[in-house]
Amino acid sequence: QVQLKESGPGLVQPSETLSLTCTVSGFSLTSYSVSWVRQPSGKGPEWMGRMWYDGDTAYNSALKSRLSISRDTSKNQVFLKMNSLQTDDTGTYYCTTGHYWGQGVMVTVSS
Amino acid sequence: DIQMTQSPSSLPASLGDRVTITCRASQDIGNYLRWFQQKPGKSPRLMIYGATNLAAGVPSRFSGSRSGSDYSLTINSLESEDMAIYYCLQHNEYRYTFGAGTKLELK
Repeated sequence: QVQLKESGPGLVQPSETLSLTCTVSGFSLTSYSVSWVRQPSGKGPEWMGRMWYDGDTAYNSALKSRLSISRDTSKNQVFLKMNSLQTDDTGTYYCTTGHYWGQGVMVTVSS
Repeated sequence: DIQMTQSPSSLPASLGDRVTITCRASQDIGNYLRWFQQKPGKSPRLMIYGATNLAAGVPSRFSGSRSGSDYSLTINSLESEDMAIYYCLQHNEYRYTFGAGTKLELK
């Protein structure tokens, strides 16, 4: 059974770095790619970036300068790090294979 | 980056209606188009993949089609559980993009 679960801090200070973890089960990260998608409250989703099954990465052009995605295949985890957070980075962050989605984690950027 | 223009943004409809939502791609994306349904407080749910393929567990009243650079999601005989926001997603290019969404609501 495929499952993805996001975890990380619910509150981040402005200008700080967001670190999120996506823990997957039911499939191998060396066989399937995982994307990060975020969604501000009341707005549409935004594709952030992707960890390909072969270890390559791709990023949204608008976020590329402050976003990094990595993985630990032995722990079945994909990581997101984004620096210089501002209030408009507030929203729900999801990891997804495209077909399967995590439940999302709410992140609030506030002092 | 490829832009996806989704219309309409809002779609009032009655139970039993047939409705169509469209996304237009700014560049060729082949059939690398997915449709998602999202209800309040929930994660998006995959409905259609490969532009025309029904995802597992999705009712057969949903269908996807393509005409050139226009991709459509059609729902036949609307049911109350279909009221939600629908998004398209292109995943042809190295970077993916969502449409802006269509809110399907009861008239």
